[in-house]
Amino acid sequence: DIVMTQSPATLSVSPGERATLSCRASQSIDTNLAWYQQKAGQAPRLLIYGASTRATGIPARFSGSGSGTEFTLTISSLQSEDFAVYYCQQYNNWPRTWTFGQGTKVENK
Amino acid sequence: EVQLVESGGGLVQPGGSLRLSCAASGFTVSSYDMHWVRQATGKSLEWVSSFGAAGDTYYADSVRGRFTISRENAKNSLYLQMNSLRAGDTAVYYCARGKVAGTWDVFDIWGQGTMVTVSS
Repeated sequence: DIVMTQSPATLSVSPGERATLSCRASQSIDTNLAWYQQKAGQAPRLLIYGASTRATGIPARFSGSGSGTEFTLTISSLQSEDFAVYYCQQYNNWPRTWTFGQGTKVENK
Repeated sequence: EVQLVESGGGLVQPGGSLRLSCAASGFTVSSYDMHWVRQATGKSLEWVSSFGAAGDTYYADSVRGRFTISRENAKNSLYLQMNSLRAGDTAVYYCARGKVAGTWDVFDIWGQGTMVTVSS
């Protein structure tokens, strides 16, 4: 099975600063990588798919990059509503399975 | 409005059964792959099962043989029959809609979740 490893576990950032989150796959997944945001008590929300395509309604301050095994989610200028947990997810495995990383919590510094 | 609403969660003893429901509105479930994802308290997300638009089904190893996913087109709903429940199945269960995004789907619409607690 493909294992997804996210770093750091917690990221302390001040509003207006840039946040960079990393996700590594245990084997190549091409660009079959998605990012989700989850706020406390809420369901996850799709942010990015195909490693770099923003989902409908997602602000341009969110961007994704990477391919193969190394991926990055960047929040260019953190807003107060962006404090949350972020998960990466691979969707490349055969047979059909999906796996998530353990999450990165973005907290107010 | 596109929406998913889960129901059917609750407290059940180990070895017991529970059936989760997911009612969709604003779209037709039979036109999409549909998924169940769970999350234990304080933990990450875990994919559980999928029902493809073509009727194909998929299960995580942790639930295969115990859980059964199904769909009822007339009610525009997705279900998860959970048997032989264990303490490790305790989690919030989310229903999600699939969006084709490459090799497989990503999950673009999520319900609010329903809590399943397995305890004596």
